Amino acid sequence: DTEVTQTPKHLVMGMTNKKSLKCEQHMGHRAMYWYKQKAKKPPELMFVYSYEKLSINESVPSRFSPECPNSSLLNLHLHALQPEDSALYLCASSLTPMGGERYYEQYFGPGTRLTVT
Amino acid sequence: SQQGEEDPQALSIQEGENATMNCSYKTSINNLQWYRQNSGRGLVHLILIRSNEREKHSGRLRVTLDTSKKSSSLLITASRAADTASYFCATDALDDKIIFGKGTRLHILP
Repeated sequence: DTEVTQTPKHLVMGMTNKKSLKCEQHMGHRAMYWYKQKAKKPPELMFVYSYEKLSINESVPSRFSPECPNSSLLNLHLHALQPEDSALYLCASSLTPMGGERYYEQYFGPGTRLTVT
Repeated sequence: SQQGEEDPQALSIQEGENATMNCSYKTSINNLQWYRQNSGRGLVHLILIRSNEREKHSGRLRVTLDTSKKSSSLLITASRAADTASYFCATDALDDKIIFGKGTRLHILP
Protein backbone atom coordinates (compact mmCIF):
# COMPACT_ATOMS: atom_id res chain seq x y z
CA ASP A 1 0.00 0.00 0.00
CA THR A 2 1.76 3.14 -1.22
CA GLU A 3 -1.09 5.51 -0.66
CA VAL A 4 -1.72 8.49 1.55
CA THR A 5 -5.40 9.10 2.09
CA GLN A 6 -7.04 12.32 3.17
CA THR A 7 -10.57 13.04 4.32
CA PRO A 8 -12.70 14.88 3.56
CA LYS A 9 -11.98 15.75 -0.08
CA HIS A 10 -13.92 18.99 0.22
CA LEU A 11 -14.88 21.02 3.28
CA VAL A 12 -16.86 24.22 3.59
CA MET A 13 -16.89 25.79 7.02
CA GLY A 14 -17.91 29.03 8.65
CA MET A 15 -15.53 31.17 10.62
CA THR A 16 -16.98 29.98 13.93
CA ASN A 17 -16.90 26.26 13.13
CA LYS A 18 -14.55 23.61 14.43
CA LYS A 19 -13.55 20.91 12.00
CA SER A 20 -10.74 18.42 11.50
CA LEU A 21 -8.81 17.16 8.50
CA LYS A 22 -7.53 13.61 8.59
CA CYS A 23 -4.60 11.91 6.94
CA GLU A 24 -3.60 8.26 7.01
CA GLN A 25 -0.76 6.15 5.64
CA HIS A 26 0.16 2.51 6.15
CA MET A 27 3.61 2.51 4.61
CA GLY A 28 5.44 2.53 7.93
CA HIS A 29 6.60 6.08 7.33
CA ARG A 30 7.83 7.87 10.43
CA ALA A 31 7.57 11.44 9.16
CA MET A 32 4.34 13.19 8.25
CA TYR A 33 3.72 16.68 6.94
CA TRP A 34 0.98 19.25 6.48
CA TYR A 35 1.20 21.71 3.61
CA LYS A 36 -1.05 24.57 2.55
CA GLN A 37 -1.36 25.39 -1.13
CA LYS A 38 -3.12 28.38 -2.64
CA ALA A 39 -4.16 28.38 -6.28
CA LYS A 40 -1.23 28.55 -8.73
CA LYS A 41 1.25 28.66 -5.85
CA PRO A 42 3.66 26.05 -4.52
CA PRO A 43 2.89 24.07 -1.37
CA GLU A 44 3.97 25.80 1.82
CA LEU A 45 5.12 23.69 4.72
CA MET A 46 3.05 24.08 7.89
CA PHE A 47 4.00 21.27 10.26
CA VAL A 48 6.31 18.27 10.41
CA TYR A 49 5.93 15.28 12.72
CA SER A 50 8.95 13.04 13.20
CA TYR A 51 8.35 9.78 15.07
CA GLU A 52 5.00 11.14 16.25
CA LYS A 53 6.54 14.27 17.72
CA LEU A 54 6.06 17.76 16.34
CA SER A 55 9.46 18.75 15.00
CA ILE A 56 8.70 21.76 12.81
CA ASN A 57 6.01 24.41 13.15
CA GLU A 58 6.38 27.07 10.51
CA SER A 59 4.91 29.85 12.62
CA VAL A 60 1.41 28.71 11.77
CA PRO A 61 -1.44 30.56 13.55
CA SER A 62 -2.89 28.77 16.55
CA ARG A 63 -6.24 28.38 14.81
CA PHE A 64 -4.50 25.42 13.14
CA SER A 65 -3.71 22.64 15.61
CA PRO A 66 -1.96 19.47 14.44
CA GLU A 67 -2.17 16.12 16.15
CA CYS A 68 -0.43 12.82 15.51
CA PRO A 69 -2.28 10.10 17.48
CA ASN A 70 -0.03 7.32 16.14
CA SER A 71 2.50 6.66 13.43
CA SER A 72 -0.19 6.15 10.77
CA LEU A 73 -2.51 9.05 11.48
CA LEU A 74 -2.21 12.80 11.26
CA ASN A 75 -4.96 15.28 12.04
CA LEU A 76 -5.28 19.00 11.55
CA HIS A 77 -7.83 20.63 13.81
CA LEU A 78 -9.34 23.86 12.55
CA HIS A 79 -11.03 26.53 14.65
CA ALA A 80 -12.06 30.13 13.99
CA LEU A 81 -10.55 30.18 10.52
CA GLN A 82 -10.48 33.19 8.25
CA PRO A 83 -11.55 33.35 4.59
CA GLU A 84 -7.88 33.71 3.60
CA ASP A 85 -7.30 30.22 5.03
CA SER A 86 -9.25 28.79 2.09
CA ALA A 87 -6.80 26.57 0.23
CA LEU A 88 -5.85 23.01 -0.67
CA TYR A 89 -4.40 21.27 2.38
CA LEU A 90 -1.98 18.52 1.52
CA CYS A 91 -0.70 15.76 3.76
CA ALA A 92 2.51 13.91 2.96
CA SER A 93 4.68 11.24 4.51
CA SER A 94 8.22 10.00 4.10
CA LEU A 95 10.08 6.96 5.34
CA THR A 96 12.25 9.02 7.63
CA PRO A 97 12.46 12.69 8.51
CA MET A 98 14.53 14.86 6.25
CA GLY A 99 18.12 15.67 6.84
CA GLY A 100 21.59 15.17 5.47
CA GLU A 101 22.04 12.42 2.95
CA ARG A 102 18.93 10.54 3.89
CA TYR A 103 16.57 9.76 1.07
CA TYR A 104 13.22 11.29 1.82
CA GLU A 105 10.88 11.07 -1.11
CA GLN A 106 7.54 12.38 0.05
CA TYR A 107 4.27 10.68 -0.77
CA PHE A 108 1.38 13.09 -1.01
CA GLY A 109 -2.30 12.60 -0.44
CA PRO A 110 -4.87 14.09 -2.85
CA GLY A 111 -5.59 16.97 -0.51
CA THR A 112 -8.61 18.54 1.15
CA ARG A 113 -10.09 21.55 -0.60
CA LEU A 114 -11.10 23.90 2.22
CA THR A 115 -13.40 26.87 1.78
CA VAL A 116 -13.98 29.21 4.70
CA THR A 117 -17.11 31.36 4.41
CA SER B 1 11.16 32.29 1.58
CA GLN B 2 11.21 30.37 -1.69
CA GLN B 3 14.41 28.45 -2.33
CA GLY B 4 13.64 27.27 -5.84
CA GLU B 5 12.62 29.36 -8.78
CA GLU B 6 11.35 27.58 -11.88
CA ASP B 7 11.70 28.94 -15.34
CA PRO B 8 9.56 29.32 -17.37
CA GLN B 9 6.43 29.90 -15.30
CA ALA B 10 4.30 28.48 -18.10
CA LEU B 11 5.12 26.44 -21.19
CA SER B 12 2.94 25.24 -24.06
CA ILE B 13 4.32 22.76 -26.59
CA GLN B 14 3.00 20.39 -29.22
CA GLU B 15 2.56 16.75 -28.34
CA GLY B 16 5.69 14.83 -29.23
CA GLU B 17 8.05 17.74 -28.62
CA ASN B 18 10.51 17.91 -25.74
CA ALA B 19 9.84 20.13 -22.73
CA THR B 20 12.61 21.68 -20.67
CA MET B 21 12.11 23.36 -17.32
CA ASN B 22 14.76 25.00 -15.19
CA CYS B 23 15.11 25.53 -11.48
CA SER B 24 17.49 27.83 -9.65
CA TYR B 25 18.14 27.85 -5.94
CA LYS B 26 20.10 29.95 -3.51
CA THR B 27 21.69 27.92 -0.72
CA SER B 28 23.70 24.72 -0.51
CA ILE B 29 21.64 21.57 -0.78
CA ASN B 30 21.94 17.86 -0.13
CA ASN B 31 19.64 16.93 -2.97
CA LEU B 32 17.00 18.28 -5.31
CA GLN B 33 13.72 16.69 -6.25
CA TRP B 34 11.17 17.22 -8.99
CA TYR B 35 7.47 16.71 -8.43
CA ARG B 36 4.45 16.78 -10.75
CA GLN B 37 1.01 18.02 -9.77
CA ASN B 38 -2.11 17.55 -11.83
CA SER B 39 -4.68 20.28 -11.40
CA GLY B 40 -5.94 20.51 -7.81
CA ARG B 41 -4.46 17.18 -6.77
CA GLY B 42 -1.57 15.90 -4.70
CA LEU B 43 2.02 15.96 -5.82
CA VAL B 44 3.78 12.97 -7.32
CA HIS B 45 7.49 12.47 -6.83
CA LEU B 46 9.33 12.16 -10.16
CA ILE B 47 13.02 12.02 -9.47
CA LEU B 48 15.65 12.88 -6.88
CA ILE B 49 19.18 13.91 -7.72
CA ARG B 50 21.84 14.13 -5.05
CA SER B 51 24.29 17.00 -4.78
CA ASN B 52 27.18 14.78 -5.94
CA GLU B 53 25.30 13.69 -9.08
CA ARG B 54 25.25 15.61 -12.33
CA GLU B 55 22.63 13.79 -14.36
CA LYS B 56 19.89 11.27 -13.79
CA HIS B 57 17.40 9.50 -16.05
CA SER B 58 14.04 7.92 -15.41
CA GLY B 59 12.05 6.80 -18.44
CA ARG B 60 11.36 9.92 -20.52
CA LEU B 61 12.72 12.19 -17.80
CA ARG B 62 16.23 13.57 -17.66
CA VAL B 63 17.39 15.74 -14.78
CA THR B 64 20.64 17.62 -14.57
CA LEU B 65 22.17 19.39 -11.60
CA ASP B 66 24.86 22.05 -11.65
CA THR B 67 25.78 22.87 -8.08
CA SER B 68 28.27 25.54 -9.17
CA LYS B 69 25.44 27.46 -10.82
CA LYS B 70 22.86 26.34 -8.27
CA SER B 71 20.54 25.19 -11.00
CA SER B 72 18.76 22.10 -12.25
CA SER B 73 16.84 21.24 -15.37
CA LEU B 74 14.08 18.74 -16.08
CA LEU B 75 13.71 17.46 -19.63
CA ILE B 76 10.63 15.52 -20.68
CA THR B 77 11.13 13.87 -24.04
CA ALA B 78 8.42 12.95 -26.53
CA SER B 79 5.74 14.76 -24.56
CA ARG B 80 2.23 13.36 -24.21
CA ALA B 81 -1.11 14.93 -23.33
CA ALA B 82 -0.90 13.23 -19.93
CA ASP B 83 2.22 15.27 -19.16
CA THR B 84 0.06 18.39 -18.84
CA ALA B 85 0.58 19.41 -15.21
CA SER B 86 2.53 21.73 -12.95
CA TYR B 87 6.11 20.77 -12.20
CA PHE B 88 7.91 21.81 -9.03
CA CYS B 89 11.47 21.51 -7.96
CA ALA B 90 12.06 21.06 -4.26
CA THR B 91 15.24 21.52 -2.29
CA ASP B 92 16.21 20.79 1.27
CA ALA B 93 17.29 23.90 3.09
CA LEU B 94 20.07 23.83 5.67
CA ASP B 95 17.51 23.42 8.47
CA ASP B 96 16.24 20.18 6.91
CA LYS B 97 13.03 21.67 5.55
CA ILE B 98 11.94 20.98 2.01
CA ILE B 99 11.06 24.09 0.05
CA PHE B 100 9.18 24.05 -3.22
CA GLY B 101 9.84 26.39 -6.11
CA LYS B 102 7.09 28.39 -7.75
CA GLY B 103 6.51 25.78 -10.43
CA THR B 104 6.20 25.56 -14.19
CA ARG B 105 2.75 24.99 -15.68
CA LEU B 106 3.21 22.73 -18.69
CA HIS B 107 0.47 22.41 -21.30
CA ILE B 108 0.78 19.83 -24.05
CA LEU B 109 -1.18 20.78 -27.16
CA PRO B 110 -2.76 18.00 -29.25
